Amino acid sequence: AQSVTQPDIHITVSEGASLELRCNYSYGATPYLFWYVQSPGQGLQLLLKYFSGDTLVQGIKGFEAEFKRSQSSFNLRKPSVHWSDAAEYFCAVTNTNAGKSTFGDGTTLTVKP
Amino acid sequence: EAGVTQFPSHSVIEKGQTVTLRCDPISGHDNLYWYRRVMGKEIKFLLHFVKESKQDESGMPNNRFLAERTGGTYSTLKVQPAELEDSGVYFCASSQATGGWNIQYFGAGTRLSVL
Repeated sequence: AQSVTQPDIHITVSEGASLELRCNYSYGATPYLFWYVQSPGQGLQLLLKYFSGDTLVQGIKGFEAEFKRSQSSFNLRKPSVHWSDAAEYFCAVTNTNAGKSTFGDGTTLTVKP
Repeated sequence: EAGVTQFPSHSVIEKGQTVTLRCDPISGHDNLYWYRRVMGKEIKFLLHFVKESKQDESGMPNNRFLAERTGGTYSTLKVQPAELEDSGVYFCASSQATGGWNIQYFGAGTRLSVL
């Protein structure tokens, strides 16, 4: 069965500091991996995805993530955080055939001025 | 282009009552998914429609939940009778085609509070 673990429930960083959100997954085959962000009152917005190929993927809003098969990880990074990045972030793995997604518990990001 | 829309945005009902949630997918999207997030935990899959057919309903918690997608357009999720543990945020997503590589577009969710 597929599963996703986001070890950090809550992270606080200062504006301008770098950010890394951790995600570990369990999946039998090559996974389809996603990062989403949810701001208050909004739906889940796709930040980036990994299907195959280059293990470093770029997304919107200056985010990137690196797929590491040996560590079963897909960590999200941003070099310099902006106050508008404060939100909840979800990592997900998707079933290859049908698209059924399994999500982590989410990580809430607080940005200090 | 309109995104995935969900109605209502928030519903407060008493235990034992019935509630119907609605999801309008992006036009032309054959795949529609329902997910639920309970008590700040992970977002869990409920079921998947391809057009009007239920492709996978393995995540439906029990027979108090009934999902329909008549005509392959909008979908409804009815909870009857509602219990306290049904409280949470119900998300709907749609995608153009079937398969894990297809991007799912999510609605803002319906927050259900059962008192």
